This record gives sequence, structure tokens and C-alpha cells, in this order.
Amino acid sequence: AQSVTQPDIHITVSEGASLELRCNYSYGATPYLFWYVQSPGQGLQLLLKYFSGDTLVQGIKGFEAEFKRSQSSFNLRKPSVHWSDAAEYFCAVGGYSGTYKYIFGTGTRLKVLA
Amino acid sequence: DGGITQSPKYLFRKEGQNVTLSCEQNLNHDAMYWYRQDPGQGLRLIYYSQIVNDFQKGDIAEGYSVSREKKESFPLTVTSAQKNPTAFYLCATMNRDKRSDTQYFGPGTRLTVL
Repeated sequence: AQSVTQPDIHITVSEGASLELRCNYSYGATPYLFWYVQSPGQGLQLLLKYFSGDTLVQGIKGFEAEFKRSQSSFNLRKPSVHWSDAAEYFCAVGGYSGTYKYIFGTGTRLKVLA
Repeated sequence: DGGITQSPKYLFRKEGQNVTLSCEQNLNHDAMYWYRQDPGQGLRLIYYSQIVNDFQKGDIAEGYSVSREKKESFPLTVTSAQKNPTAFYLCATMNRDKRSDTQYFGPGTRLTVL
């Protein structure tokens, strides 16, 4: 079955500390992988995506993610968190299997301490 | 967002009423999607449409209906058959070009049943 797991519902970090948000997936075909960010009451904004090639991808706002096929993971990282990074983060997996559909994780809410 | 408009931003409905949520896009994308978001459950797919005059049920289509008469528009009707409609609804679009399998999201509509 196709699925996405974000094991951490909430994460709290201090401003300036490093951050890693975990994402594991199960997908039969070659996956396309995405990270989105959502501020309260807003839509989702794309942070970065992986289709193929270099397994370390760079995104907006200083985020990066690494695709590890052997671990079925696509973890999101940022070396130094800013207070404005407080939001909810969603991992998603998709691809073409007759139709274009995404599967989303349940999200990780990030709190940043001043 | 940026090319995807959802209206209204807030919507209140009395029990037994049907309501229609609007989603309009000027990105010239073929595919459009409706998601429902509840706290702690991530995004769940309601309906999607890959081309005009065609749409398919997602994972939680019961109590909802859609139409796709124009490429730019994909309205969602929440019917009285939907037992728990209070939620945040997100519309997304995607260009089906294989080089750009990325979904872009509108700002959302929050529906509250009184």
C-alpha cells in the first residue's frame, strides 16, 4: 500500500538550532517526493521536490532534503532555524500510475523558541 | 496560491444546506484537485479532474460533488449528505507536463456548520 509517515507530530527547537523533520514513504513505483509548508489558515507552499538525479535537493528558505532509497526516507533539514519557520510541514509522495495523485503525511508542527 | 483563487475564505452553513466552494485558476493547468484538511489527519483527497468534463472520486467523495465545465474552474459542492463537513478545504492544480509534476495550492476555504 502507498503511504507516507511523518513520525513526529510536534517538534520544538530553539531559534538558531538545527532542524530535521522525518518522512518515510511506501510507494510501488519510482516516487516523486515533496515537502510543503503551511502557516495557520493558509494554503500549502512548496519548499522543495525530488524527481530524480542528485539525492540532496535544495529548496526555498534555506531548507534541504535528502532522498535515501534504501531507507525509503526523505528527511527535511535546515542548519539554523528562524522564528518565522514556525509552521506545519507536510511530506508528500506522488507519481504517475494511471493518474497523477499525491499521498500526504499527517504533518509535523514546528514550534520555535526565542 | 498566486494564480489559484478560492472563495469564500470563510463559509458558514446551517445543517441540511448545500454549499458550493469556488476554485478558479489562471495557470492553464490541466489537473485540479480538492482536499479536505482536519487537524491531525493531513490532507485527504475528495475529487480530482485531469481534463475538462472529466473527474474521479478520491478517497472521501461521499457527500460531495464537483463539476469541470471549464479548464479554469472546479467548484466543489458540499451536500447535506456530508455528515461532518466542518473542515478546511484546499484546491490544488497541476501541470501534467512530466517535467513539472507539482501541485500548487490555493489559500483555502474554512467551512463551519452551525
